[in-house]
Amino acid sequence: DQQVKQNSPSLSVQEGRISILNCDYTNSMFDYFLWYKKYPAEGPTFLISISSIKDKNEDGRFTVFLNKSAKHLSLHIVPSQPGDSAVYFCAASASRTGNQFYFGTGTSLTVIP
Amino acid sequence: NAGVTQTPKFRVLKTGQSMTLLCAQDMNHEYMYWYRQDPGMGLRLIHYSVGEGTTAKGEVPDGYNVSRLKKQNFLLGLESAAPSQTSVYFCASRRSIEPYEQYFGPGTRLTVT
Repeated sequence: DQQVKQNSPSLSVQEGRISILNCDYTNSMFDYFLWYKKYPAEGPTFLISISSIKDKNEDGRFTVFLNKSAKHLSLHIVPSQPGDSAVYFCAASASRTGNQFYFGTGTSLTVIP
Repeated sequence: NAGVTQTPKFRVLKTGQSMTLLCAQDMNHEYMYWYRQDPGMGLRLIHYSVGEGTTAKGEVPDGYNVSRLKKQNFLLGLESAAPSQTSVYFCASRRSIEPYEQYFGPGTRLTVT
């Protein structure tokens, strides 16, 4: 059973606009969340993370929002650039129960110039 | 500083053959992970290690074995390859303290015929 879900397999956005990628989770024990970006034929690279004691974390053009009551997080990219075109994975872990990370199935973002 | 490296990059096996995938990291990270990525499935954890000499099962451990004899290396073995093990395999490592970002290798594309 998929504990971390990304229900949108793909997303297209115009350059300069906002990209919003969504992620839902089912395990209430998850308390740490990360977003990764992956280009074809490469390994994922870390983008941004958030712990459950916060509801927002920013790093440049990237902001992650966490809604614990809804078990939902989102990644906002503003402004979107063509180089942001990649597959984005969200991941979650439960610090109390182990060191495993559970990944979503990914959302393929295309930024149109 | 090479980060995380994986050997080999590509491999084709016949059903029943065995092989070992090697992962090496030069960041002195305590934790190391093996994932597989299949279309529509995201990244799924096979095995992981929280330190030299330790290993633990992840979500999909069947058909795989691992060893971590040295802190910098994490080996993934397939004793008797099956077509269901055709996948892209990623190794990752991370520190034991926040942020818990994982550094991924470039991947190994394995085909079992």
